[in-house]
Amino acid sequence: AQSVTQPDIHITVSEGASLELRCNYSYGATPYLFWYVQSPGQGLQLLLKYFSGDTLVQGIKGFEAEFKRSQSSFNLRKPSVHWSDAAEYFCAVGEVAGNKLTFGGGTRVLVKP
Amino acid sequence: GAVVSQHPSRVICKSGTSVKIECRSLDFQATTMFWYRQFPKQSLMLMATSNEGSKATYEQGVEKDKFLINHASLTLSTLTVTSAHPEDSSFYICSASEFTGELFFGEGSRLTVL
Repeated sequence: AQSVTQPDIHITVSEGASLELRCNYSYGATPYLFWYVQSPGQGLQLLLKYFSGDTLVQGIKGFEAEFKRSQSSFNLRKPSVHWSDAAEYFCAVGEVAGNKLTFGGGTRVLVKP
Repeated sequence: GAVVSQHPSRVICKSGTSVKIECRSLDFQATTMFWYRQFPKQSLMLMATSNEGSKATYEQGVEKDKFLINHASLTLSTLTVTSAHPEDSSFYICSASEFTGELFFGEGSRLTVL
């Protein structure tokens, strides 16, 4: 069975500083990997996804993620965070495109002025 | 881009009543939709896979008689929480995939059972 681990429950970062959110997955084959962001009381917005090809994926809002098969990781990064980046971030894995997803526990990002 | 809409966004009901939540794909057809549940400050847990024209597939531990799912058309799936109790209070989110395989999520529906 597939699983996703986000080791950091909370991360506090200063505005303008860099951000990295960790995600480790467990899956037997090549996974479909996603990062979503959720603002309080809202649905999910897709930041980026990896299906195949270039292991460094660019997303919206200045985010990027790198797929490392050897480490079973798909960490999310942003060079300089903005106050509006404060939200909950979820990493997810799917078996095939358009199929059900397994989500990690989420990482809550707080941005200090 | 494709849009998935949920209605209602918030609902409050009394214990013992049933509540229906709708999930619509507004500009694409979705043969498959997924229903997730999210408890406060927790992750999303898949409840069931809704297939148009057939019975839903429920995840282990999800009571199918409690959470009735109907996917009567290619653009609409409904989740009915029957005889709701306070422990059913949660945030319910649906997702649907279009022909490209991309998944789109609804805005979520917050259910509060008094």
